[in-house]
Amino acid sequence: AQTVTQSQPEMSVQEAETVTLSCTYDTSESDYYLFWYKQPPSRQMILVIRQEAYKQQNATENRFSVNFQKAAKSFSLKISDSQLGDAAMYFCAYRRLGQGAQKLVFGQGTRLTINP
Amino acid sequence: EAGVAQSPRYKIIEKRQSVAFWCNPISGHATLYWYQQILGQGPKLLIQFQNNGVVDDSQLPKDRFSAERLKGVDSTLKIQPAKLEDSAVYLCASSRWATNTDTQYFGPGTRLTVL
Repeated sequence: AQTVTQSQPEMSVQEAETVTLSCTYDTSESDYYLFWYKQPPSRQMILVIRQEAYKQQNATENRFSVNFQKAAKSFSLKISDSQLGDAAMYFCAYRRLGQGAQKLVFGQGTRLTINP
Repeated sequence: EAGVAQSPRYKIIEKRQSVAFWCNPISGHATLYWYQQILGQGPKLLIQFQNNGVVDDSQLPKDRFSAERLKGVDSTLKIQPAKLEDSAVYLCASSRWATNTDTQYFGPGTRLTVL
């Protein structure tokens, strides 16, 4: 079974600085997707960024980028120029390919605090 | 485009009582998911529907949990009887199709407290 591990229960960063959230996963599959989701307090979870395992290039979305190391099974999220609105729980998630195999396997989450 | 709707937002019951949650997915989304998120943990899939058929219910405690999706639109998740360990946030998500590239959109969740 696939597992996702986020070893940092909490992180904090000064506003406008850069922070990196860590994620490792375990799978025997060669093709899969990895995601970072953001869950603000009392608000719904939204997709931040997605990475296809077959792509060597790291995904970027504005201030958000990932460092995908397939051999090491590592998938970290870098947030540049942190803003107060970035404060949330961040979940790393895995999804394998294949018909009917769309369930997301989540890590335990990292709570990110932005200090003004 | 309206998002995924869930109700109620909060529910408090005593153990051994029954409870039901409702989810209305984004219009046109064929795939619907129910996840359970226990405090301090990431969400865990309970059941996945494709239209009104079940794709994956391997982690659904079938002795007490049931779910249905009539007419392939709205869905109801029921717990009967509830246990203390069922206290969690129940998240509903939907996606247009069950394809690998589809994004899952989440609702606000229902926070269940079992006393």
